[in-house]
Amino acid sequence: SYVLTQPPSVSEAPGQTARIPCAGNIIGTKSVHWYQQKPGQAPVLVVSDESDRPSGIPERFSGSKSGNTATLTISRVEAGDEADYYCQVWDSGSDHYVFGTGTKVTVL
Amino acid sequence: QVHLVESGGGVVQPGRSLRLSCTASGLTFSSYAMHWVRQPPGKGLEWVALISYDGVNKFYADSVKGRFTMSRDNSKNILSLQMNSLRTEDTAIYYCARDGTRSFDLWGQGTLVTVSS
Repeated sequence: SYVLTQPPSVSEAPGQTARIPCAGNIIGTKSVHWYQQKPGQAPVLVVSDESDRPSGIPERFSGSKSGNTATLTISRVEAGDEADYYCQVWDSGSDHYVFGTGTKVTVL
Repeated sequence: QVHLVESGGGVVQPGRSLRLSCTASGLTFSSYAMHWVRQPPGKGLEWVALISYDGVNKFYADSVKGRFTMSRDNSKNILSLQMNSLRTEDTAIYYCARDGTRSFDLWGQGTLVTVSS
């Protein structure tokens, strides 16, 4: 089955840039989506199709992809960005939806 | 306001059944494919099942195939998940979510299912 691997945690000081990688085989051929989940809340879609932001999501959130890794970048990190972040793709081979292992972002 | 509200969670013994519901409001429910996604306590997200906008096509994760059945009533804006032969590893918060072209662009608040003897 298809696997997406993320680091368990990322930490950055306020105002800095946090980068969250998501590694997966031939991820370059897939559309990658990113979700933010704050404690006790449902996930929220923050980036779709690598780089599109849904309405209401700050421009500080952006996505990119290179080789076998997709990356969510949070610019000018704020305390309110502390959350778990998950990448996600649709695996056409199995017709299943796959989430990454999740990354906890801490703002120092 | 667009909302998805899950209900039906609770505590159930292993091997028993439970039926979850998700009521949609503020959207044209019949136009969207819908999903169930679950999250065991303290763990990551796992996709469970997908149903097409018209209810004809359904897809399931391997972990629930043959035990869970997803359905929808577009006349009542209700999505359902019938869960049979429940196992302890099915313990999780269950979210319904709207399909946003292979993504999940709207989520409910979730309902907790605990499978325990």
